[in-house]
Amino acid sequence: QKEVEQNSGPLSVPEGAIASLNCTYSDRGSQSFFWYRQYSGKSPELIMFIYSNGDKEDGRFTAQLNKASQYVSLLIRDSQPSDSATYLCAVTGYSTLTFGKGTMLLVSP
Amino acid sequence: DTGVSQDPRHKITKRGQNVTFRCDPISEHNRLYWYRQTLGQGPEFLTYFQNEAQLEKSRLLSDRFSAERPKGSFSTLEIQRTEQGDSAMYLCASSLVLSNTGELFFGEGSRLTVL
Repeated sequence: QKEVEQNSGPLSVPEGAIASLNCTYSDRGSQSFFWYRQYSGKSPELIMFIYSNGDKEDGRFTAQLNKASQYVSLLIRDSQPSDSATYLCAVTGYSTLTFGKGTMLLVSP
Repeated sequence: DTGVSQDPRHKITKRGQNVTFRCDPISEHNRLYWYRQTLGQGPEFLTYFQNEAQLEKSRLLSDRFSAERPKGSFSTLEIQRTEQGDSAMYLCASSLVLSNTGELFFGEGSRLTVL
């Protein structure tokens, strides 16, 4: 049974700060790791994916993966109120994505 | 609009009734997924198709649930004898088997309320 664990939050940060979102997973066979953003009442949308250990940067977002620790994180630099949403961590082996419960991020102006 | 579309967007039904949801994936996508999401939870996998073949079903998918993708294009998810615990958002997603990102593209969901 694959499990993906996230702190449900809310994580509150002021505008302009760095938001750090964390995720652990149970299946060592997981190959790909994703961060989805979900606004209230909307469907999830992909922000970033990462396959290899280390960091991957895309604009204000940085995904970090440590397979030995079974840990993946998402850093959001210069947080904006529009970043307020639930961030879902998801992992996959070969076919299906397993999602965590998500972390709610609140960015205050 | 070339995204994933779902219908209906909202459905209110009485306990014991049957409901059916439809999903039209992105046209060139050969994989189609159904997920269920309740308040405060992440999406939970229900089942997925590759073309018309149903390749995996979750243990969450009781015998009251059935999904089809008869021609490898659109899919339907039917819930028979609905229960209040079936109230949730039912999300459909599609992807390409050989996608280099493994990204799932989600529809806007079908929200079910069972009274």
